[in-house]
Amino acid sequence: DTEVTQTPKHLVMGMTNKKSLKCEQHMGHRAMYWYKQKAKKPPELMFVYSYEKLSINESVPSRFSPECPNSSLLNLHLHALQPEDSALYLCASSQDFQVLGNQPQHFGDGTRLSIL
Amino acid sequence: SQQGEEDPQALSIQEGENATMNCSYKTSINNLQWYRQNSGRGLVHLILIRSNEREKHSGRLRVTLDTSKKSSSLLITASRAADTASYFCATARNSGNTPLVFGKGTRLSVIA
Repeated sequence: DTEVTQTPKHLVMGMTNKKSLKCEQHMGHRAMYWYKQKAKKPPELMFVYSYEKLSINESVPSRFSPECPNSSLLNLHLHALQPEDSALYLCASSQDFQVLGNQPQHFGDGTRLSIL
Repeated sequence: SQQGEEDPQALSIQEGENATMNCSYKTSINNLQWYRQNSGRGLVHLILIRSNEREKHSGRLRVTLDTSKKSSSLLITASRAADTASYFCATARNSGNTPLVFGKGTRLSVIA
């Protein structure tokens, strides 16, 4: 069992739909991340939140909109996605934002997203 | 661009054998981390080795780091079928507060 919980596990949506991915952690971590992972590829960083504020946006298209309502929750709002956005979306957390690379990240099992 | 590059891309061994995966990177780093990903699951942190460390052990895992060659290796001893997974190295640049960048990964298959 992972300590980072992502819902839903699978999501199929049309290009005109609006949906949201959710991520929750109760480890008291103050840094949370969204990654996109294509098959047989490494995770690619999308967003980093530190203390509920957006710290890093890796030039992600605006059809992806992150939100951090509180220190335990992270959402990714999806709108007007393209077929190439089909991928595994992973959420992760780490203890603190300070010196990001110094800390292990804890990952959820992801949401498998398919765009029709 | 990717900071870490794993080698080989895929590795197939018999149960009980040792598996060695290598990672090369390009810039100075603060530390290097190894992660495992089972099929359809998230990544699991295995081990973190700091730039001033040369070797680290955790159970059947042994990680080495050679900063002069900008390379690291992950050795899994006495492999088991349950070790079948993809293994990624991850690094963060040694300047500024930069996030981890994952290498392309090695897909390990352990055959029972």
